[in-house]
Amino acid sequence: DTEVTQTPKHLVMGMTNKKSLKCEQHMGHRAMYWYKQKAKKPPELMFVYSYEKLSINESVPSRFSPECPNSSLLNLHLHALQPEDSALYLCASSRDSDGEAFFGQGTRLTVV
Amino acid sequence: RKEVEQDPGPFNVPEGATVAFNCTYSNSASQSFFWYRQDCRKEPKLLMSVYSSGNEDGRFTAQLNRASQYISLLIRDSKLSDSATYLCVMIDASKIIFGSGTRLSIRP
Repeated sequence: DTEVTQTPKHLVMGMTNKKSLKCEQHMGHRAMYWYKQKAKKPPELMFVYSYEKLSINESVPSRFSPECPNSSLLNLHLHALQPEDSALYLCASSRDSDGEAFFGQGTRLTVV
Repeated sequence: RKEVEQDPGPFNVPEGATVAFNCTYSNSASQSFFWYRQDCRKEPKLLMSVYSSGNEDGRFTAQLNRASQYISLLIRDSKLSDSATYLCVMIDASKIIFGSGTRLSIRP
């Protein structure tokens, strides 16, 4: 099983809304990631969790707040987003921080 | 200088052709390299790992050249279904770093 599951698949939210993106994996992977991808661009790293602790924050604005409740789950809490935050948000996991990563199908977010 | 440089293409080749992509990287200490494939509006999917000794999987061959700091992907006998964006990936200090991606279109 090399599956990373993300919900929801699509999300439309207003600039005053609070929403959360969810990611789940049951491969026993200890590293989990959030990426943002705009059209025709490669994925950009946002956050890295290693052994359930935030290890990398790529200077992401505070309106994005990650959370790792346990080793299988990763959330991204969204609040007061801007229209330019509209993108595909990808979650990934890897066995450790040097191994190949597996991506979820992503959440396509539109901020209106 | 970008950590990973990749020719964006697009490459437009006929079915059956051989096509090669390269990526160069700046950090000589990087240890792990991969090629991913991404179809339109889909997530990146692991294609293959890249080793100095080379890695072959059917029509696909990946190679790492540490001395020149580049990785390559060769696709032989290309199929229509190979049309996608190919992303080279480097792991550096726990970060998965993507190249800009190369768009490949295979025409009948």
